[in-house]
Amino acid sequence: DVKVTQSSRYLVKRTGEKVFLECVQDMDHENMFWYRQDPGLGLRLIYFSYDVKMKEKGDIPEGYSVSREKKERFSLILESASTNQTSMYLCASSRQGNEKLLFGSGTQLSVL
Amino acid sequence: EDQVTQSPEALRLQEGESSSLNCSYTVSGLRGLFWYRQDPGKGPEFLFTLYSAGEEKEKERLKATLTKKESFLHITAPKPEDSATYLCAVRGGTGGFKTIFGAGTRLFVKA
Repeated sequence: DVKVTQSSRYLVKRTGEKVFLECVQDMDHENMFWYRQDPGLGLRLIYFSYDVKMKEKGDIPEGYSVSREKKERFSLILESASTNQTSMYLCASSRQGNEKLLFGSGTQLSVL
Repeated sequence: EDQVTQSPEALRLQEGESSSLNCSYTVSGLRGLFWYRQDPGKGPEFLFTLYSAGEEKEKERLKATLTKKESFLHITAPKPEDSATYLCAVRGGTGGFKTIFGAGTRLFVKA
């Protein structure tokens, strides 16, 4: 089965901590995305990447950064976690020219 | 501004009671409208892509249709296992190749 794997299902961190969320895909997809999902707001795009070492800001990049050193791995970094970053984080990937997104199972992050 | 609005927010049906979910969108230069299903605690799962007005796609009890302003997800004779959140998303407009999601419709089907 092809899949997108997120390293943690649940994560609890303290305010001010640096947080790493990891995502790995095994389909050789060019495109990778990080979304956050909050009740009533839908999925909002944080960052995306169309190629290794390449990154583009989404709609809500403030307080986040990303890293894509290898094609299969896309990391989301919270430089200094804050309580308003408590959310469900979803990673997705897609093939270049194919708009269908394949999602991971998500990481529920709580910042206390 | 590119926007996707889904209604209703929640829908409760009896098993076998057919209904429709609505997705209204405002985007110029639509490059695709997508429907996803999301079960609790899981990531969204792709259902359909529609590209132009008049297009229809079907999968089991689900049928998606598209006009120039909205899309409908018709559910015929639903079963309890159809209970999930259904997400609509569009690609195009000022967002270019980004995918913009609606907030979703939570569907509950009671046996």
